[in-house]
Amino acid sequence: AQSVSQHNHHVILSEAASLELGCNYSYGGTVNLFWYVQYPGQHLQLLLKYFSGDPLVKGIKGFEAEFIKSKFSFNLRKPSVQWSDTAEYFCAVIGDNQAGTALIFGKGTTLSVSS
Amino acid sequence: DAGVTQSPTHLIKTRGQQVTLRCSPKSGHDTVSWYQQALGQGPQFIFQYYEEEERQRGNFPDRFSGHQFPNYSSELNVNALLLGDSALYLCASNSGVAVEQYFGPGTRLTVT
Repeated sequence: AQSVSQHNHHVILSEAASLELGCNYSYGGTVNLFWYVQYPGQHLQLLLKYFSGDPLVKGIKGFEAEFIKSKFSFNLRKPSVQWSDTAEYFCAVIGDNQAGTALIFGKGTTLSVSS
Repeated sequence: DAGVTQSPTHLIKTRGQQVTLRCSPKSGHDTVSWYQQALGQGPQFIFQYYEEEERQRGNFPDRFSGHQFPNYSSELNVNALLLGDSALYLCASNSGVAVEQYFGPGTRLTVT
């Protein structure tokens, strides 16, 4: 069965610090990869996605992620975080062995940014 | 353009009771998925409906059932509620050929 592992449970940064959140998945076939964000009191929103092509994908609000197939990883990065980036971040995968398009999520990483 | 909507927002039920949650997909979307998000955890896939049929199911017991209507809206039913069913229940929608899912605000279910 597919699974997603997010290495950091809680990350605390100061404004302007750089961010990297780790994500590994456990499926050897073709995958679609996603990062979702959940701001306090808001619903899950898509930050960025990877389907194919350039392994470096750019999303909203200055976030980017790099797909490294050999490492089964899809790490999220941002060069300089802002206080407004405080949120819960979820990595998710859809494998090509599924009948449908169920998202398999990691447990999430809480990011706290202090001003 | 309305996004995914869910009702009710909050619900309190007693152990053993039954509950029905509702979801309307984003305009133009025909596929609805349901997820359970326990406190401090990532969402867990329950099932997905497409063309009024259950297309894919996660590792949830038969107490969890669903339905999709001709207008693509969907219901999630949970029978014989357990304390462990307390969670945020999320509905997501996408169009049949696109995998990108859009989420609703969720229904917070508390079982006492």
